[in-house]
Parts: sequence; structure tokens; C-alpha cells
Amino acid sequence: GAVVSQHPSWVICKSGTSVKIECRSLDFQATTMFWYRQFPKQSLMLMATSNEGSKATYEQGVEKDKFLINHASLTLSTLTVTSAHPEDSSFYICSARMDTEAFFGQGTRLTVV
Amino acid sequence: DAKTTQPPSMDCAEGRAANLPCNHSTISGNEYVYWYRQIHSQGPQYIIHGLKNNETNEMASLIITEDRKSSTLILPHATLRDTAVYYCIVRVKDDMRFGAGTRLTVKP
Repeated sequence: GAVVSQHPSWVICKSGTSVKIECRSLDFQATTMFWYRQFPKQSLMLMATSNEGSKATYEQGVEKDKFLINHASLTLSTLTVTSAHPEDSSFYICSARMDTEAFFGQGTRLTVV
Repeated sequence: DAKTTQPPSMDCAEGRAANLPCNHSTISGNEYVYWYRQIHSQGPQYIIHGLKNNETNEMASLIITEDRKSSTLILPHATLRDTAVYYCIVRVKDDMRFGAGTRLTVKP
């Protein structure tokens, strides 16, 4: 199957700083990418859907000014967690759609201390 | 809200078939049924998808009822490495919302 690479795999940051997570489709072009957040022992929660070259569509309750999504090319989307706080600590996962299938990155574990 | 209902957990003996059910009684005519699984602390892995007909690939088989209101994912010979949370999703294109899934535990 197609490969989606997410970087970094894990990151620890200080409260109040910003963290950027990259999601790349390595062998295909993805017009649509999805960002999820997952807390321990819970399911994936869709945060936003982004289409290349346009603004992301955020799910209800997700702060667009806190979770900045940029999808500037067909192979790269970034999620920036701004002014991170300990409650933002979570497992963040991206997904890229190719035709009718969607492929997932390996996830980024963010810990805010 | 998720459009699917799955049992929260199931056990299966190693080497036996694992049959994971999913109810999607409100599925629309153009929505596909997708199955993914997530092994602990990893991103979800695509397994299989279908619209109306039964599907089979190297990982699993997907049986969809004639009225399309439910489906079953079949892992023909479960191994310990198949222990994971299995998610059933119905979607057309960009509605990629996950339900709670089924935690499958394969036991020796």
C-alpha cells in the first residue's frame, strides 16, 4: 500500500511553545489529508480535513487558531500546535486520501511539560 | 457521530477464524464499508473495503449483507499479531470518522 510518513514520531515540549508535525505522502499525491487526535484508550477523533491549496475544515470544538493546518502541496500537510499546554498532550495521527482509500501515518506522540 | 456499531471486545483462539461484526443500519447507497485496525501506539492500517459484494484480499474477507445494514470482517487464521483494535467505517469520500471499534485479543 501507499506510504504516509509522519515526523516526528514523538516530541516533548515546554508549555507555551509551539510544535509542528509534518505529514508526507511518499509515493502518491494526496488532495485530501486528515488530522486526528487520540487520547489513551480512546478512539481517533477527527480534528480537521484539509485540501491542497485551501483552508482546512475544522471539526466542531477544535480551535483553528490553536491547531494550525497547512496543506501547501499535494504531498505535505503540517499541523502546528500553538502555545501548547499539558492538556494538548496526545497522540496525533495524519491520514492521506488516494482515490477511495486513505492511508495513515505512524502517529506523533506529543508530551507537553 | 459514528455511523457504525461494533462490540467493544472479542477474544479469539490463535489459528481460528476471527469474525468481527459491524452494524451500519443507516448506510447510504453510495457509502463504502471500510475496515482498519490499530495496533497499540501505531497509526491505523487499512485492511479491506467494499460496497455491495463480498471482498477478499491477502489479509481478510469482508462479508456484506444483502441489505447492506451490517458486515463481518473475517480473519481466516488469527495470529497473536492480529491483536488490535478493529474499526469499521462507512464513508463516501472524505467523512473519515472513527467509532469506538472492537478490541480483538488473540489468545494462544
